[in-house]
Amino acid sequence: GESVGLHLPTLSVQEGDNSIINCAYSNSASDYFIWYKQESGKGPQFIIDIRSNMDKRQGQRVTVLLNKTVKHLSLQIAATQPGDSAVYFCAENVQGAQKLVFGQGTRLTINP
Amino acid sequence: DTAVSQTPKYLVTQMGNDKSIKCEQNLGHDTMYWYKQDSKKFLKIMFSYNNKELIINETVPNRFSPKSPDKAHLNLHINSLELGDSAVYFCASSQEESGRELFFGSGTQLSVL
Repeated sequence: GESVGLHLPTLSVQEGDNSIINCAYSNSASDYFIWYKQESGKGPQFIIDIRSNMDKRQGQRVTVLLNKTVKHLSLQIAATQPGDSAVYFCAENVQGAQKLVFGQGTRLTINP
Repeated sequence: DTAVSQTPKYLVTQMGNDKSIKCEQNLGHDTMYWYKQDSKKFLKIMFSYNNKELIINETVPNRFSPKSPDKAHLNLHINSLELGDSAVYFCASSQEESGRELFFGSGTQLSVL
């Protein structure tokens, strides 16, 4: 079925440290896995995606890792900054379904 | 130059009323969506339209009726509002019909009293 879930609902990190946000998924038919960031009072914003035939993709300060064996997805944010405070969602784009299925979200808070 | 704009931002109304939320995108995208976000931040797709044609209707009560007068607009009309309709409603658009990269509006917070 369609299910994208997160291990932790909240994550608190020190400014400057690296953050790792995890996600488990159950649908093996997904083409893409995507991370979105939602700041308070705003709509979700696309961060990075990874195709299902890849296991790693890097962006600016972010890296997404995909482990298909255990159906696990993670988002790593390097040198976390106050502006990274947000709720982060993983989502999957199911082949042929023409829609994104979102996970519950993880709230990332940054301690000064 | 807001890419996806929706109005109103806040909507407070009584049970049983009918209300509409409007959405417009100036990105030239062919596909538009409505998502509902509940109090636990869970985001779920309601509808998608591609070039004014309904593509997805995710078991949403028929009190919810989307209307797309042209591909840049997707409005959401809700009849006989219920307490459980209280949520944040997001409009979004994408260039691809597969909807991998969505551009979201800032949301409409609907409170039904």
